[in-house]
Amino acid sequence: DVKVTQSSRYLVKRTGEKVFLECVQDMDHENMFWYRQDPGLGLRLIYFSYDVKMKEKGDIPEGYSVSREKKERFSLILESASTNQTSMYLCASSAGLAGGFSSYNEQFFGPGTRLTVL
Amino acid sequence: SQQGEEDPQALSIQEGENATMNCSYKTSINNLQWYRQNSGRGLVHLILIRSNEREKHSGRLRVTLDTSKKSSSLLITASRAADTASYFCATVPMNTGFQKLVFGTGTRLLVSP
Repeated sequence: DVKVTQSSRYLVKRTGEKVFLECVQDMDHENMFWYRQDPGLGLRLIYFSYDVKMKEKGDIPEGYSVSREKKERFSLILESASTNQTSMYLCASSAGLAGGFSSYNEQFFGPGTRLTVL
Repeated sequence: SQQGEEDPQALSIQEGENATMNCSYKTSINNLQWYRQNSGRGLVHLILIRSNEREKHSGRLRVTLDTSKKSSSLLITASRAADTASYFCATVPMNTGFQKLVFGTGTRLLVSP
């Protein structure tokens, strides 16, 4: 079974702090994703990565950065946390297709990190 | 940007009844997927239907896809209290480079014993 783990279930930080959210998957998946989920807005893609050291902006990258130094690990960084970044953050991974970086396949999600910025 | 819109936003039924959720989307797609999310947890993949398929079954789940109407439906038969969750459709739009999933806002299903 694919397992995607996230470093924290709940996190409380103060405005201006630098925040690291870690995600690890154990299925050797090429693709990894970070979403945030807010009531009434559904899931919105922040960043994704289709290979080590590769990253692409999603729909709402402002205020965030990512790091993928190893295939199994994808980190989301809030450089200076703000109250409007209070949200549920979900990490996901999926297998890529050989020879390309398409993601036709299902995504496997971690349990989520509920971040509160005070 | 949101691609899928689920309808209804909330659905309340009794155990044993069928639950039907609908999803409409805006652009041509490669495939459409349905996910379930239990309260406060991550999403779990339920079923994937490709653009050249019209219907797919998995256990008590039945998914239909009408690409001419840009819509899909998820039917859960003989529902159980454990089916209480939010259900999301997600599309893989065509011609967007990296084939990322675009999620709708979800349908909240409550199944009462």
